[in-house]
Amino acid sequence: GAGVSQTPSNKVTEKGKYVELRCDPISGHTALYWYRQSLGQGPEFLIYFQGTGAADDSGLPNDRFFAVRPEGSVSTLKIQRTERGDSAVYLCASSLGTTGELFFGEGSRLTVL
Amino acid sequence: AQTVTQSQPEMSVQEAETVTLSCTYDTSESDYYLFWYKQPPSRQMILVIRQEAYKQQNATENRFSVNFQKAAKSFSLKISDSQLGDAAMYFCAYLTSGSRLTFGEGTQLTVNP
Repeated sequence: GAGVSQTPSNKVTEKGKYVELRCDPISGHTALYWYRQSLGQGPEFLIYFQGTGAADDSGLPNDRFFAVRPEGSVSTLKIQRTERGDSAVYLCASSLGTTGELFFGEGSRLTVL
Repeated sequence: AQTVTQSQPEMSVQEAETVTLSCTYDTSESDYYLFWYKQPPSRQMILVIRQEAYKQQNATENRFSVNFQKAAKSFSLKISDSQLGDAAMYFCAYLTSGSRLTFGEGTQLTVNP
């Protein structure tokens, strides 16, 4: 596609459930980023991939959060045993290099009841 | 750790007037990049303007320009001839050599007709 695509756009789940959020980056972009944005705040870094490997996962808040990018394109953010505090918009971005413009998707809004 | 501070949670401007959004950052590095991103209600972050720290000349993109003061670690955004479509949340961001983009808390800009 022409831009970064994220699915689902909105996800409502119950506390304790497992959730997967998908990001399809711009074709040819080797770098992929996940951010989390809580209401009224700036995005917080979660993880960064260069190709298939996680170059920096230091932003993941705990071991309930995990992300993969098996073929160097589509990435999935996985959240186990969701908690109400996980409610936020999860943003994905991709870029050609490491100092250029990041192109963002529209985000996936996760609500944990 | 690098931090980005936006001291103005909200700003307003009359249509066709000029407004300046403030941003300061803290870093010990000499080579970095600074960005202003715009986030409308659609949630998608859109790059407004970018500045390389090694360049003394302030970046300009049409009605958008920056005042980059490296010694003061200040990076303000000036919007000239404000338009209704400029209304959005604006985020200042700092890019480290490790490609972790760090965002400020944001400034909500309202444009009054």
